[in-house]
Amino acid sequence: AQTVTQSQPEMSVQEAETVTLSCTYDTSESDYYLFWYKQPPSRQMILVIRQEAYKQQNATENRFSVNFQKAAKSFSLKISDSQLGDAAMYFCAYRLFSGTYKYIFGTGTRLKVLA
Amino acid sequence: DAGVTQSPTHLIKTRGQQVTLRCSPKSGHDTVSWYQQALGQGPQFIFQYYEEEERQRGNFPDRFSGHQFPNYSSELNVNALLLGDSALYLCASSQYWTAQGTEAFFGQGTRLTVV
Repeated sequence: AQTVTQSQPEMSVQEAETVTLSCTYDTSESDYYLFWYKQPPSRQMILVIRQEAYKQQNATENRFSVNFQKAAKSFSLKISDSQLGDAAMYFCAYRLFSGTYKYIFGTGTRLKVLA
Repeated sequence: DAGVTQSPTHLIKTRGQQVTLRCSPKSGHDTVSWYQQALGQGPQFIFQYYEEEERQRGNFPDRFSGHQFPNYSSELNVNALLLGDSALYLCASSQYWTAQGTEAFFGQGTRLTVV
């Protein structure tokens, strides 16, 4: 069975600084997606970034980038130039490449941004 | 585009009662998945509906049932409510045959409190 583990319940970062959120996962599959979702107090899950497992190049979206280590089953999120609006719960998630929209989520990391 | 809409936003029920939650998918989407997010946890997959049939199910008891209508909207029903059913229930919509290229969009959820 696939599992996703986030070992940091809470992280803090100063505004304009950089922070890295950690995620590890376990799967025997070779084709899958990994995601980082942001959940602000409004509760809606917002996609931050997506990584296809077959791609060696790490995904980037503006201030957000990932460090994907497939052999180590590690998928960390780096947020550069942190902003007050980045404060939220961040969830790492796994999904098989095809045939399903079943996401497996980690327990989340609460990110606090300090002014 | 209204995105994924869920109703109601909040609900309070008594233990032993039954509840129905509703979800309208994003325009153009034909697949609906339901998730339960307990306080302080990541979302857990309940089931997925496509073509009015349950296609995949997570580890939830039969008290949890669903339905999908011809217009792709969906209902989640929970019978014999327990205190442990108190959670945020998230709906996610997607396109079934483009699973390899897209991700699901989430609604803002229904907060269910069982007393």
